[in-house]
Amino acid sequence: DSGVTQTPKHLITATGQRVTLRCSPRSGDLSVYWYQQSLDQGLQFLIQYYNGEERAKGNILERFSAQQFPDLHSELNLSSLELGDSALYFCASSPGGAEEAFFGQGTRLTVV
Amino acid sequence: AQKITQTQPGMFVQEKEAVTLDCTYDTSDPSYGLFWYKQPSSGEMIFLIYQGSYDQQNATEGRYSLNFQKARKSANLVISASQLGDSAMYFCAMREGGFGNEKLTFGTGTRLTIIP
Repeated sequence: DSGVTQTPKHLITATGQRVTLRCSPRSGDLSVYWYQQSLDQGLQFLIQYYNGEERAKGNILERFSAQQFPDLHSELNLSSLELGDSALYFCASSPGGAEEAFFGQGTRLTVV
Repeated sequence: AQKITQTQPGMFVQEKEAVTLDCTYDTSDPSYGLFWYKQPSSGEMIFLIYQGSYDQQNATEGRYSLNFQKARKSANLVISASQLGDSAMYFCAMREGGFGNEKLTFGTGTRLTIIP
């Protein structure tokens, strides 16, 4: 168990809908990262938050947004979903400047 | 240019043999870190080992060791005495930049299959 908790584990939704993925980082970790793993794009960095503030942005679509709350949990919001958004979405956390980055078990999103 | 290159899409190895998974990287940042992750068929990403760019010694964690050759920009993962449970996808990743900016860039992975 990495200590990073993601919910839900599986999500099936229709095109055009909006979903929210939740992540609780390891105790004490200030940085949260979101990654998308798809068959055609591989593992791609989406966005990073550090202690509530956005720190870095990767290949995140405008339809996607994220935030980190005062208790350090994070949510990734995906809207106007398309079939191509079907993927495994990972959250990872680290204390910052760390030699480790631990991943949650992922949320498998299927858009039908 | 690819920042992380894993040239072996798949490998088959006999149980109990050692296996080396290749990883080369490209960065101009003097401070960076290299990670290896294991992803079994269940999907989770399991952290295996880390090597910092300034580390003098090769990292080791149990049966895992990282063969770090800085001049060649390679960070190969060595698994000794392979086991059936080692069958999985293995990803090499790199962190560039300083404190607070530690996003990882991943390679395309190597699928390792251990044969009994």
